[in-house]
Amino acid sequence: ETGVTQTPRHLVMGMTNKKSLKCEQHLGHNAMYWYKQSAKKPLELMFVYNFKEQTENNSVPSRFSPECPNSSHLFLHLHTLQPEDSALYLCASSPRASGGNTGELFFGEGSRLTVL
Amino acid sequence: GENVEQHPSTLSVQEGDSAVIKCTYSDSASNYFPWYKQELGKGPQLIIDIRSNVGEKKDQRIAVTLNKTAKHFSLHITETQPEDSAVYFCAAPREATFGRGTSLIVHP
Repeated sequence: ETGVTQTPRHLVMGMTNKKSLKCEQHLGHNAMYWYKQSAKKPLELMFVYNFKEQTENNSVPSRFSPECPNSSHLFLHLHTLQPEDSALYLCASSPRASGGNTGELFFGEGSRLTVL
Repeated sequence: GENVEQHPSTLSVQEGDSAVIKCTYSDSASNYFPWYKQELGKGPQLIIDIRSNVGEKKDQRIAVTLNKTAKHFSLHITETQPEDSAVYFCAAPREATFGRGTSLIVHP
């Protein structure tokens, strides 16, 4: 148990569906991250939030829409995805994400997404 | 942005042998160098890290060495065991980016 919980663990969706991934951290951290992990590009950084503000958007397509209502919760809203978006989506948190090193990242166990 | 190169992509060893994984980085301002282990079905977890004011750090069978001049740092695992089999990642925390990973297989 790392203190970062992701739901659902598995998700299958069609290309026209709308779904959301949820991440919650109980570590009192101020920064949260979304990563995409696939065979082609392991651990690809997607978004970074620091104190609820988005500080990084790594050229992610608009069909992925993040939301960070507070420092403990992070969502990834999914709509009109493509089969190549099938991957493991990992959430992480750290004490901070600005002004230098992030420090240790604490990862959840991921949400395995399959787009049909 | 920060560029992190990790080698090898796959490493197969016999139980009891040593394993070494190397990462090179590009940002001279980096001062924190972590290694993560990812087991099947789990997210990556930090196993060891080093700061730029030291050249080596050990924790039982694992160690990390840092060469700031050459901009590379390495993970060393001695007396490998089957439970060491996993994917290992180095990271460049200044931009929260990771190397491509090394799949370590330890044969009993």
